[in-house]
Amino acid sequence: AQSVSQHNHHVILSEAASLELGCNYSYGGTVNLFWYVQYPGQHLQLLLKYFSGDPLVKGIKGFEAEFIKSKFSFNLRKPSVQWSDTAEYFCAVNEANMLTFGGGTRLMVKP
Amino acid sequence: DGGITQSPKYLFRKEGQNVTLSCEQNLNHDAMYWYRQDPGQGLRLIYYSQIVNDFQKGDIAEGYSVSREKKESFPLTVTSAQKNPTAFYLCASKRQANSPLHFGNGTRLTVT
Repeated sequence: AQSVSQHNHHVILSEAASLELGCNYSYGGTVNLFWYVQYPGQHLQLLLKYFSGDPLVKGIKGFEAEFIKSKFSFNLRKPSVQWSDTAEYFCAVNEANMLTFGGGTRLMVKP
Repeated sequence: DGGITQSPKYLFRKEGQNVTLSCEQNLNHDAMYWYRQDPGQGLRLIYYSQIVNDFQKGDIAEGYSVSREKKESFPLTVTSAQKNPTAFYLCASKRQANSPLHFGNGTRLTVT
């Protein structure tokens, strides 16, 4: 069965710092990849997704993620975080129409 | 171990039948959620419940119904009024507003 690992459970950054959140999955077949975000008090929102094509995917709010097939990774990045990026971030992998989530990373950005 | 259990993993139904998807959690979480995922799309919120005996519609509630009679359970009924019921359904829960979200393993529903 597919499994998804997010290695950083809690990340604390200062504003303007760069962000990279790791995501690795276990199955190497055809997969679709997602990053979701949940801001405090809000529901899950889709940040970005990869289905095919350019492995560097750009999402909303300045986020991007790079799909590296050889490493089974889909890390999320942002060059300069803001206080409003404080949230929980989830990586998810869709394989054979079954979605598996990672355990989430809680990001706190200090003003 | 605590967690969220969705059963079954795969479910097949004929068109015109109602079907109920199970979601049980033993995490003592107050809030529970149902999402749906279709090919090429992200998750969409169907219904959520912040507390026992109360629930609210999400973005795509039409053709679905839920109940929250017990804290541990949040079953989702896909009614015959749902025009495109075939999808992957994911249940989630959390203790309170700023707590981590936990996910079940999902149920793949196929209606023919």
